[in-house]
Amino acid sequence: KAGVTQTPRYLIKTRGQQVTLSCSPISGHRSVSWYQQTPGQGLQFLFEYFSETQRNKGNFPGRFSGRQFSNSRSEMNVSTLELGDSALYLCASSLGQGDADTQYFGPGTRLTVL
Amino acid sequence: TQLLEQSPQFLSIQEGENLTVYCNSSSVFSSLQWYRQEPGEGPVLLVTVVTGGEVKKLKRLTFQFGDARKDSSLHITAAQPGDTGLYLCAGAHTNAGKSTFGDGTTLTVKP
Repeated sequence: KAGVTQTPRYLIKTRGQQVTLSCSPISGHRSVSWYQQTPGQGLQFLFEYFSETQRNKGNFPGRFSGRQFSNSRSEMNVSTLELGDSALYLCASSLGQGDADTQYFGPGTRLTVL
Repeated sequence: TQLLEQSPQFLSIQEGENLTVYCNSSSVFSSLQWYRQEPGEGPVLLVTVVTGGEVKKLKRLTFQFGDARKDSSLHITAAQPGDTGLYLCAGAHTNAGKSTFGDGTTLTVKP
């Protein structure tokens, strides 16, 4: 079974631009969560989608948005990029239910904002 | 806010030594995961523990879930340079869809 895939792996943007990141979950997984990881803040939860609906949301500004498609693939969009948005963006998929629901991570997208 | 505290934050040891890292919370979790992450890559799942008091072994790694399902430990026997990485614990809640992550323990094993 293929793992979680994320595209692109690396991205360089300038301040004020917008960016869209893509995540394909493990087949059969209906939940996709997005995280931002920086050296100073660790793993910060952005949001989670389950069956095309946003089920949970972290404490990030409205510039960060996402969506999930009927095939469970998900995209994350960041508008009006700021220097502080430079980070590793991780996507994780899971079944989304049950006591032992476990998240499996993709390799991440390294975003650099200049 | 449900926090997971990991200790120590940094650990540097010689090859062959044993070590234990801890993951503590005041919250009860339905399950807890341990991940290992290398620079520039996503976290890789090592184990999921579900039952209070549960012990799982993965080669030289031993994972224990506390009886009250609020804490966990990871013990590595005879550490090797290949064990170097960031170890993250994450607590999950039933059907909650998101996990709470600790800040991680950065382990360096010197040859």
